[in-house]
Amino acid sequence: KQEVTQIPAALSVPEGENLVLNCSFTDSAIYNLQWFRQDPGKGLTSLLLIQSSQREQTSGRLNASLDKSSGRSTLYIAASQPGDSATYLCAVLNTGGFKTIFGAGTRLFVKA
Amino acid sequence: DVKVTQSSRYLVKRTGEKVFLECVQDMDHENMFWYRQDPGLGLRLIYFSYDVKMKEKGDIPEGYSVSREKKERFSLILESASTNQTSMYLCASSPVRRMNTEAFFGQGTRLTVV
Repeated sequence: KQEVTQIPAALSVPEGENLVLNCSFTDSAIYNLQWFRQDPGKGLTSLLLIQSSQREQTSGRLNASLDKSSGRSTLYIAASQPGDSATYLCAVLNTGGFKTIFGAGTRLFVKA
Repeated sequence: DVKVTQSSRYLVKRTGEKVFLECVQDMDHENMFWYRQDPGLGLRLIYFSYDVKMKEKGDIPEGYSVSREKKERFSLILESASTNQTSMYLCASSPVRRMNTEAFFGQGTRLTVV
């Protein structure tokens, strides 16, 4: 059974710092991995989608990497800003299934 | 841009009421999903649908049912609302494109059952 773990559960950094959020999964048979952002009381916003054949994806200050063999993904945020404060979730879509499995999220605070 | 729209942001219902949560997507996606999100438990899948009139139970279907009469609309029904169904409900949709299947979410409905 696929399990997705995100570490740390919460993170507080000063503005301008570069940071890395971690996601690990137990079953490497995935179609893709997706990173989402969630602001308090809101829905999820898709940030990056990495297909299983890809190693990384970039969007602006965000870079997500995928290492299927080790069951790991990282989300790198460069030059963090207070507006980056949110909960970040990673999710995997298993091969042969419709279900997306979510991690519990990392709650990020960027202090001005 | 893909848009997934949930009919209400906030709802307050009484115990025993029948509750309908509506979700509409405008990108002709085949797959639609209903999740609930609770502190400490993360997102849990209630039901999903991969085609019109098709539905599959997720991890926590008890106390819920769904309806998908049209491709763009997926409804979650609480037959007799209970206080333990107080939660944030999130609808999502995705296309059937194998590895490039990207999920898109609505803004969420915060349901309180009193």
